[in-house]
Amino acid sequence: GAVVSQHPSRVICKSGTSVKIECRSLDFQATTMFWYRQFPKQSLMLMATSNEGSKATYEQGVEKDKFLINHASLTLSTLTVTSAHPEDSSFYICSAGQGASSSGNTIYFGEGSWLTVV
Amino acid sequence: AQSVSQHNHHVILSEAASLELGCNYSYGGTVNLFWYVQYPGQHLQLLLKYFSGDPLVKGIKGFEAEFIKSKFSFNLRKPSVQWSDTAEYFCAVNAFSGGYNKLIFGAGTRLAVHP
Repeated sequence: GAVVSQHPSRVICKSGTSVKIECRSLDFQATTMFWYRQFPKQSLMLMATSNEGSKATYEQGVEKDKFLINHASLTLSTLTVTSAHPEDSSFYICSAGQGASSSGNTIYFGEGSWLTVV
Repeated sequence: AQSVSQHNHHVILSEAASLELGCNYSYGGTVNLFWYVQYPGQHLQLLLKYFSGDPLVKGIKGFEAEFIKSKFSFNLRKPSVQWSDTAEYFCAVNAFSGGYNKLIFGAGTRLAVHP
């Protein structure tokens, strides 16, 4: 199947700093990318949906100024956690789809990125 | 709002037992349905998906799921589980809403298979 790669897989940052996580679709063009976070022993929570070339759509309760998403190309989306705090420590997962329509769209997941804010 | 409900949070089975994990969704439009598996320490992997056609879908590793539209259900089944099936299983619905695709996940079911 198609490959979605995230980088870095693990990152530790100091409280108050910003950290960027990249999500790349390696062998297909991703018109839509999704960012999720997963707290320990819980399910994935959709944070935002981004379409290439347009602003991301954030889910209710997700601070758009804190979690900046840039989907500048059809193969790359970035999530920047600004002014990180310990409560932002989580597992962040991106996924990518090939079409905007619900029919025939398959979503592929990245490996995830562990963020620890100390 | 769309939602996905997985009824069993923890399931413990012995090897060779049959498995059925429940999944119900709430969404009135066209849906695509997925089951994902997350093995310990690994990332999410797609087990199977339903878009249209035959409501009985066969996936990898002997898993299958049946889409019952009238019940808004998409239960996952396997006739005989193995120890290697120990993992967390997530049901997801791909709903097209507000111009965007969204994948909505259930809370997950932790399956432990004992030898």
